[in-house]
Amino acid sequence: KNEVEQSPQNLTAQEGEFITINCSYSVGISALHWLQQHPGGGIVSLFMLSSGKKKHGRLIATINIQEKHSSLHITASHPRDSAVYICAALTNAGGTSYGKLTFGQGTILTVHP
Amino acid sequence: DSGVTQTPKHLITATGQRVTLRCSPRSGDLSVYWYQQSLDQGLQFLIQYYNGEERAKGNILERFSAQQFPDLHSELNLSSLELGDSALYFCASSVAGTSGRFYQSEQFFGPGTRLTVL
Repeated sequence: KNEVEQSPQNLTAQEGEFITINCSYSVGISALHWLQQHPGGGIVSLFMLSSGKKKHGRLIATINIQEKHSSLHITASHPRDSAVYICAALTNAGGTSYGKLTFGQGTILTVHP
Repeated sequence: DSGVTQTPKHLITATGQRVTLRCSPRSGDLSVYWYQQSLDQGLQFLIQYYNGEERAKGNILERFSAQQFPDLHSELNLSSLELGDSALYFCASSVAGTSGRFYQSEQFFGPGTRLTVL
């Protein structure tokens, strides 16, 4: 079992739909990243959060530390949101300051017009 | 634009060869991370440097090595290349506080180097 699991692996939506991508982790973490990777390959950091909720435009990320679960929501989805979304846990090993990211397998999102 | 630069963008080479990938972190960032993204393994952490010193190691092969120079740029050296080394190699950088608090530091990714080994 992977330390960071995402669901679904593939997601197809119509423009305007509300989208949710889930991430569960089994490791101890300091924070969780949500990343976006476009077909060209570049990776963009969308959020880093360690508690609660963050919002940026149409994107919302939440995290529940007790349940070891995070979600990424996209409101009013648009074809330009089509990309791979990756959650990555910033692990904190035994209290040591440690910057390793452990990645989920990614969710391929396709939004049709 | 994250402010992290990587060169070259693409690299095509043959098995058995050696290549060097270069990364310049964002201005002010002391920490550099190297990641490999292959089709079968996904994204994996290779190694981290902080202010010139190796900080953490992940799934990095012995044929691979890295260093961070006094100007904070970093190089990843891949030798005795195999077909399976074909992948996207990303570096990321983060600013760490004076106490090296990596767990508080968001990482910013470079555009990646696509390595193809023929």
